[in-house]
Amino acid sequence: DTGVSQDPRHKITKRGQNVTFRCDPISEHNRLYWYRQTLGQGPEFLTYFQNEAQLEKSRLLSDRFSAERPKGSFSTLEIQRTEQGDSAMYLCASSPAGMGLLEQYFGPGTRLTVT
Amino acid sequence: DQQVKQNSPSLSVQEGRISILNCDYTNSMFDYFLWYKKYPAEGPTFLISISSIKDKNEDGRFTVFLNKSAKHLSLHIVPSQPGDSAVYFCAASDRNTGKLIFGQGTTLQVKP
Repeated sequence: DTGVSQDPRHKITKRGQNVTFRCDPISEHNRLYWYRQTLGQGPEFLTYFQNEAQLEKSRLLSDRFSAERPKGSFSTLEIQRTEQGDSAMYLCASSPAGMGLLEQYFGPGTRLTVT
Repeated sequence: DQQVKQNSPSLSVQEGRISILNCDYTNSMFDYFLWYKKYPAEGPTFLISISSIKDKNEDGRFTVFLNKSAKHLSLHIVPSQPGDSAVYFCAASDRNTGKLIFGQGTTLQVKP
């Protein structure tokens, strides 16, 4: 396994359109996280899954955002009715669950531009 | 509110010298801290971590120091190399969920 992968790497969309991003974690990792990063800031937590269960969502995740991890493997993040403020880098990370195993491994990110 | 802060947006050092990157946090419940390095157009890469039961952790050229009473941690890179030029983020981990709370990042430039 070569690490966390994300698709697409770049997405340009018009305001009001829906977009969906995919994340494939490291295969033996059962925790999967989504973060958003804007210019000049560190990544901000959006949501996370343990296996297929979504266990926490940030207040940053408005009703227009939905995430799934249907079989506990890959995950998708959908943004409906995109707004210009959604323009950011969307990062996915995975980690094994368990005490002491707190390092997360990030994918390359999907850069979203809403015009 | 910014629970993890990196107050220096940038740092420039000469190759071979020591780089010291600083980070402060406000939540005394944090008990695990990590440093990540990020190159443009790539995701953050894990560098080194430290648990609150320790005050120092070393891995090759990288050493992280934790001062719990001051709620401060620092990353030392010695000797610095031009390939170390990147944005460095410190992060605190929520032990229950594992979610990371990041600082704003410090851009390190190592000059040859």
